[in-house]
Amino acid sequence: NAGVTQTPKFRILKIGQSMTLQCAQDMNHNYMYWYRQDPGMGLKLIYYSVGAGITDKGEVPNGYNVSRSTTEDFPLRLELAAPSQTSVYFCASSDTTGVLPYEQYFGPGTRLTVT
Amino acid sequence: AQTVTQSQPEMSVQEAETVTLSCTYDTSESDYYLFWYKQPPSRQMILVIRQEAYKQQNATENRFSVNFQKAAKSFSLKISDSQLGDAAMYFCAYRSPQGGSEKLVFGKGMKLTVNP
Repeated sequence: NAGVTQTPKFRILKIGQSMTLQCAQDMNHNYMYWYRQDPGMGLKLIYYSVGAGITDKGEVPNGYNVSRSTTEDFPLRLELAAPSQTSVYFCASSDTTGVLPYEQYFGPGTRLTVT
Repeated sequence: AQTVTQSQPEMSVQEAETVTLSCTYDTSESDYYLFWYKQPPSRQMILVIRQEAYKQQNATENRFSVNFQKAAKSFSLKISDSQLGDAAMYFCAYRSPQGGSEKLVFGKGMKLTVNP
């Protein structure tokens, strides 16, 4: 299994541009999450999904949108990028069954800079 | 809302020695999960150890163990026989038992340096 994959690894955006961060998992997990990590800080939850077609806001959802049309994919959309969105973005997934339920598996992160 | 506090931003330890990383949290819930994650320079978040609040026995994973003090809302991580590969950021995290989100609340992290 590839686990949780994210693309791109790095991206530089100009203020006002839009982009989509891609996230995919091949573990058939029903839960998926998007976090952001600002310098010197822990991760903060942006959005999460408990299954295809179901999404909900986390702690810092403003300026972002998500969709979950399949179990495997959970893209994060940034509309009108702002410097405050400069951060490292992590996607994660988890399952509520199995040997270690609720353990979150993280992708490698996307470093986004908005200038 | 739950909060997680890691009051020590940085620590250092000599190789082969033992170090303890502290974490406190605030919650009104009686059942929950606590985690320690390691983030090396590669940025990958790696689960080190987890503790279920309903379990009185402290979790251990090889050289890693926790001291879980539920009444004090304290969850410290002890690393024994420290190795150079243990150098990383360490994050304490809390997960509510309430169904529906399974989201993690993270502390700000602590940078561990291992000196040869």
